[in-house]
Amino acid sequence: GDSVTQTEGLVTVTEGLPVKLNCTYQTTYLTIAFFWYVQYLNEAPQVLLKSSTDNKRTEHQGFHATLHKSSSSFHLQKSSAQLSDSALYYCALSDRSSNYQLIWGSGTKLIIKP
Amino acid sequence: NSKVIQTPRYLVKGQGQKAKMRCIPEKGHPVVFWYQQNKNNEFKFLINFQNQEVLQQIDMTEKRFSAECPSNSPCSLEIQSSEAGDSALYLCASSLAGGPERLFFGHGTKLSVL
Repeated sequence: GDSVTQTEGLVTVTEGLPVKLNCTYQTTYLTIAFFWYVQYLNEAPQVLLKSSTDNKRTEHQGFHATLHKSSSSFHLQKSSAQLSDSALYYCALSDRSSNYQLIWGSGTKLIIKP
Repeated sequence: NSKVIQTPRYLVKGQGQKAKMRCIPEKGHPVVFWYQQNKNNEFKFLINFQNQEVLQQIDMTEKRFSAECPSNSPCSLEIQSSEAGDSALYLCASSLAGGPERLFFGHGTKLSVL
């Protein structure tokens, strides 16, 4: 079945430095959509990015990600971390095999320190 | 601000008691999901509906959990006989139908089973 892997449970970055959160996946379907969700403390999860186009960079709120089907990856990056970026980040996959139900990664807690 | 409304925000029950939580999806969204977010912050899919019909549900949901989304009433998730392991944040999300759509989440109901 489909799966999404986020290898880092916790990432700590100094303010102003770049951030990269890894996400890889396994699926047998060609038509897929990927999401990054962010959950701030005591808040509802909300979508940060969505992409379904291979090799196209998607950007929002200073974050960007590019779906690379050749390497089965959808890593999240930001060039300069801000204290307000501290949150839980989830990578998720949606395709026809799951009736478009999201397949979630285990999440990465991002802590930005001054 | 989340447009998916979940009540109550907090719920405390003893083992063996019923626990019921409600969700009003975003207006115009026919698809509703229930997820359990455990203490490790992992998402576990429980059940989803399109209008009043169940699309998918996991085995756990079929046995002790019951859920419904009646027309013109809030959706609900009820645990018939709570267990300590059910302590978690229960998240409701809604979306448009017909493909890999982004989910809009409520703030969740935090259930504590003593």
